Amino acid sequence: AQSVTQPDIHITVSEGASLELRCNYSYGATPYLFWYVQSPGQGLQLLLKYFSGDTLVQGIKGFEAEFKRSQSSFNLRKPSVHWSDAAEYFCAVGAREYGNKLVFGAGTILRVKS
Amino acid sequence: SAVISQKPSRDICQRGTSLTIQCQVDSQVTMMFWYRQQPGQSLTLIATANQGSEATYESGFVIDKFPISRPNLTFSTLTVSNMSPEDSSIYLCSVAGTTYNEQFFGPGTRLTVL
Repeated sequence: AQSVTQPDIHITVSEGASLELRCNYSYGATPYLFWYVQSPGQGLQLLLKYFSGDTLVQGIKGFEAEFKRSQSSFNLRKPSVHWSDAAEYFCAVGAREYGNKLVFGAGTILRVKS
Repeated sequence: SAVISQKPSRDICQRGTSLTIQCQVDSQVTMMFWYRQQPGQSLTLIATANQGSEATYESGFVIDKFPISRPNLTFSTLTVSNMSPEDSSIYLCSVAGTTYNEQFFGPGTRLTVL
């Protein structure tokens, strides 16, 4: 069965420090990969997506993610975190073979300390 | 991306009653989705709603409990029937984007059942 693992439930970083959020997936098909962010009391906003091609993708708000097929990973990175980045981040995976459905990871809550 | 609104944004309901949540999109979309996000949890797909056909429910969700309507290409409703405290969750609708499983989310409806 398809699954998405975000190993870190909570991460705390200092403002200005770099960030990496981990995402691993298990899929029996070529995956489409997404990162979403959910601020408190808000819906989900799409940060970035990977379908094919260049394995390093750029998103909004200065985020990037790298697809590594050999490691079944799609980690999210940001070189310098801002206090406004504090939120919950969800990795999601889909595949054409499974229709238009997305499977979400459990989420990682990011705290930013000043 | 589509602009999606949901009504109500939040509600507090009594056990045994029903609540209908509305999802409005500013453009015509083929596929809409309803998700549940229980407290501290990730998103779980309830059903996929296509205009002109019955909704397709995921394992563990049934039409009697979560009836869905999709009268046109810009609107859908989800009803949470005969509610119990276990139904306290955030309910989100989303729409399929134009590419590869991409989805865009509404702001969510926060439901508390007493």
